[in-house]
Formats: sequence, structure tokens, C-alpha cells
Amino acid sequence: GAGVSQSPSNKVTEKGKDVELRCDPISGHTALYWYRQSLGQGLEFLIYFQGNSAPDKSGLPSDRFSAERTGGSVSTLTIQRTQQEDSAVYLCASTRDGRVNTGELFFGEGSRLTVL
Amino acid sequence: EDQVTQSPEALRLQEGESSSLNCSYTVSGLRGLFWYRQDPGKGPEFLFTLYSAGEEKEKERLKATLTKKESFLHITAPKPEDSATYLCAVQERSNSGYALNFGKGTSLLVTP
Repeated sequence: GAGVSQSPSNKVTEKGKDVELRCDPISGHTALYWYRQSLGQGLEFLIYFQGNSAPDKSGLPSDRFSAERTGGSVSTLTIQRTQQEDSAVYLCASTRDGRVNTGELFFGEGSRLTVL
Repeated sequence: EDQVTQSPEALRLQEGESSSLNCSYTVSGLRGLFWYRQDPGKGPEFLFTLYSAGEEKEKERLKATLTKKESFLHITAPKPEDSATYLCAVQERSNSGYALNFGKGTSLLVTP
């Protein structure tokens, strides 16, 4: 596909379970971002990848959250021991490395996480 | 303290009724200010980048402007298909200035 692909689109889990969210960026895009969007809130930055490394992970809210990227492509966001406050839409975005300062990010449609 | 504040939170316009959305920001050094559009159930879609005060960008019925403290998104003669949430974001000039920091958005409804 031509766009950023995220899976699953919807995930319902029980409090305390671990979840993995996946992002397939646009081919050739070396920069990748994860954001979280809660109801009535703005987009909250979580982590930024440049290739496989994460020079900015300042937005991860706790040590229950982690992310990795392999092969400079697919990224996985893992939330351990989920809490109800983790319920949100998790958005992934990508862009070419040289385009980071243009702010032109391409977003996926998000993974909606509901923690019961 | 929020870096980006958008107003109003919600705006209802009649088709053809022009208006402006506001984005005020507080950063020590601005690398860029960005406007996005978000439709329900979708990810944000990039509209504009502004880098310095006085700069303007236009696309169809939308025009974005920038001052040292705020940006405006002017919508001229809007149509119902312009209904969406408009998001403003800033990127700070710093060694780790990769993140785009978003405001909460303005939800625009244009009625026929």
C-alpha cells in the first residue's frame, strides 16, 4: 500500500494484559513517530525513530511503554500491564529523514486501544 | 503549560461564511509551525508549514499566516467538505527538536 499501515485497527484488552501495536511506514521513510490521542486531548508525542534508533523517547509516559524498530521499517509499540488510562488512539507517522523539519508527516489511521 | 493553544474549540459556519482559526504558541525558538486537518476516524493530514513571522501559505480556500506569537488559518467561503478538526503544531529549535507538539484542535462544522 502507499500509505502508513497500522494494526490492529481496534484492540480491546483487560487491565493488566500486555498489548503490541504495529506500524508499517511508507517505503523509504526513515523517520517514524508514535503519538497518542485521547478523547478531548491533543496528540501526545511518544517517541521518534531515525532508522532503527530512537534519539527522542522523551514522551513515553512510563516504563510500561516501549517501542522498537527493525530493518529501518516496521515499528512495534508495546504496552505492558495495561491500565484504563492507556485507552486511546495510537497513531504512527512517517516521513523521509530530510523532511523532518518540514513537519510533513504522513499518519496512519491509528490503533484504537480500549482497556476494560 | 501548553506550548500550543487553539481557539475556538469548536466553530460552526454556514457555507460561504468566512472565518479564522487561531493558534497561539510559546516556544523559546520556533523551528516551524504546522497545520493539519483531521477527519473523524482518520489520521491527521498535512496542510502547511510556516517558518518565520510574516510568512503566508495558501491552498484552495485555506490561507495560513504566522506572527511571532500566533498563527491564523483563514477559511474563505467554506464548503461543507471543509468540515474537520484543524490541528496546529510547533517544532522547537533544539538539539532534540524532533517532536511536533500539537494543540487540541478546532472542530469546524460547515453547514449547507
